[in-house]
Amino acid sequence: DTGVSQNPRHKITKRGQNVTFRCDPISEHNRLYWYRQTLGQGPEFLTYFQNEAQLEKSRLLSDRFSAERPKGSFSTLEIQRTEQGDSAMYLCASSLVSGVGEQFFGPGTRLTVL
Amino acid sequence: AQTVTQSQPEMSVQEAETVTLSCTYDTSESDYYLFWYKQPPSRQMILVIRQEAYKQQNATENRFSVNFQKAAKSFSLKISDSQLGDAAMYFCASRAKAGNNRKLIWGLGTSLAVNP
Repeated sequence: DTGVSQNPRHKITKRGQNVTFRCDPISEHNRLYWYRQTLGQGPEFLTYFQNEAQLEKSRLLSDRFSAERPKGSFSTLEIQRTEQGDSAMYLCASSLVSGVGEQFFGPGTRLTVL
Repeated sequence: AQTVTQSQPEMSVQEAETVTLSCTYDTSESDYYLFWYKQPPSRQMILVIRQEAYKQQNATENRFSVNFQKAAKSFSLKISDSQLGDAAMYFCASRAKAGNNRKLIWGLGTSLAVNP
């Protein structure tokens, strides 16, 4: 296992379009987190899953955002009717529940909304 | 609520010298972790060092060490013998140790330049 992977790495879209990102966590990790990072800022928590259950969503996650983790494996993050303010790096991290629960990050998906 | 503050947007250091990055935090958690993460340009976030709040001994990982002052809620990172590959954004983060949600709370980051 080579770590957390995210696809696509870059996405350019026009305002109003829908986009979907995918995250594949480290295989034995049962927790999966999504963060958003805008230029010059630290990451901000969006949502997290334990197995297939979405246990918390940030107020940053408007109703245009939806995330899923079917079967507790990969996760998708969809943004509907994209806005220019959605332009950011979307980071995915995974961890074990047990122990320290260190979060391992993927390379991110950079979204640009024109 | 938890907050993390990094007051140095940019720092620079000469190769082979030592640099200290500052971080202060606030938390209502009784037990927590503190982290320093490194994000090289166009590369993914990686963990540099971790400190458990209940441990008084400062964490050390090779050239990286922390100065953890719990009463002052201060958590600085010292990089010794700086190398060109240390150039990156450095983020301080905190996280509750217990409970269901272990989301990371992040500072704004410090951009470190290493001059040859």
